[in-house]
Amino acid sequence: GNSVTQMEGPVTLSEEAFLTINCTYTATGYPSLFWYVQYPGEGLQLLLKATKADDKGSNKGFEATYRKETTSFHLEKGSVQVSDSAVYFCALIRNTGGFKTIFGAGTRLFVKA
Amino acid sequence: EAGVAQSPRYKIIEKRQSVAFWCNPISGHATLYWYQQILGQGPKLLIQFQNNGVVDDSQLPKDRFSAERLKGVDSTLKIQPAKLEDSAVYLCASSFPKAVYEQYFGPGTRLTVT
Repeated sequence: GNSVTQMEGPVTLSEEAFLTINCTYTATGYPSLFWYVQYPGEGLQLLLKATKADDKGSNKGFEATYRKETTSFHLEKGSVQVSDSAVYFCALIRNTGGFKTIFGAGTRLFVKA
Repeated sequence: EAGVAQSPRYKIIEKRQSVAFWCNPISGHATLYWYQQILGQGPKLLIQFQNNGVVDDSQLPKDRFSAERLKGVDSTLKIQPAKLEDSAVYLCASSFPKAVYEQYFGPGTRLTVT
């Protein structure tokens, strides 16, 4: 079946530290991959996406590269800020048999000043 | 531009009671989704509408959950009767039909069943 596995949180970093949140997936066909972010008290927001192998999605200093050979889509940011504290969700949309979004369990990030 | 609106934001009920949630999508978004997010888990799709027709309800517990989208705009999700395991945040999202990759989420309704 289709699934998404994320590293468990919480992840606690100091401001300006390097961030990596691991995400791997299992899917039939060729899914599109996404990272969503949920800030405290707000709804989920699309952060970035990649629709085919080797694509790199980027937004607000965050990046993730679609690696088909390792079935991964790790989220990275070179220098985190306190305002990046949120829950990050990796997700896929399978492109066969209809479009259904499957989310990972989420990783909570705390950034300390 | 107004976002996806949901109400109520919080609801506490006893088991075996019924409850209903309301969602108003972004204007012009023909596709509407209801997700269930249990604490510590990612959102799980319950039902997806295209206008007022159901596209996918394979994960909707149909013995107790129902949803409708009359006139292809607002939607209501109902649980009757509620169980303890229904405690979760219920998220509504919407998108343009050809933009399933660009879903916009509402703030959610947090349901506690006691």
